[in-house]
Amino acid sequence: EDQVTQSPEALRLQEGESSSLNCSYTVSGLRGLFWYRQDPGKGPEFLFTLYSAGEEKEKERLKATLTKKESFLHITAPKPEDSATYLCAVGAGNQFYFGTGTSLTVIP
Amino acid sequence: ETGVTQTPRHLVMGMTNKKSLKCEQHLGHNAMYWYKQSAKKPLELMFVYSLEERVENNSVPSRFSPECPNSSHLFLHLHTLQPEDSALYLCASSQELLAGGGETQYFGPGTRLLVL
Repeated sequence: EDQVTQSPEALRLQEGESSSLNCSYTVSGLRGLFWYRQDPGKGPEFLFTLYSAGEEKEKERLKATLTKKESFLHITAPKPEDSATYLCAVGAGNQFYFGTGTSLTVIP
Repeated sequence: ETGVTQTPRHLVMGMTNKKSLKCEQHLGHNAMYWYKQSAKKPLELMFVYSLEERVENNSVPSRFSPECPNSSHLFLHLHTLQPEDSALYLCASSQELLAGGGETQYFGPGTRLLVL
């Protein structure tokens, strides 16, 4: 069964404390792996698309990496404004499979 | 601004009401999607349209009826909903259909629906 699992479910960090979020998947025929940020009451905001194992992308304090079974979203020296839910999605065929997200809180 | 707008942003309806959700994308994309987001659950893909033709219907109850009059507009018609249908309904668009190569989807802000 195609599945996307994100961990941890929730993460609290002190400002400046770097960490990583995990997205593991068991999907055949991967077309792309997507990271989104979602703030309360808003739609998901696109962050990154990764297409093949070994690929990496960076944006400000965020860096996404991809292997054949999982992806990591590394957050370096986070700030309170990075607090949000981070969603991972995998595209296969005509389908998008989403994880349940990691709720990140960065404490000043 | 993602270029995808949704109206209304909030909706409260009774189980016997009929209402419609509207989505408009200003990105020149060819594919549009409806998702349901419930608390503690992954986003659920409901409908997929490519060039105004429905290509996926993920076993969604018939009380949800989509309409795509052109590539920029998508509607979700609602009737005789149940309380468990209360959720955030999200619209998204992508340049081409996902199967074309993992197209990135861009989401609207969503409609928060409460069914009483």
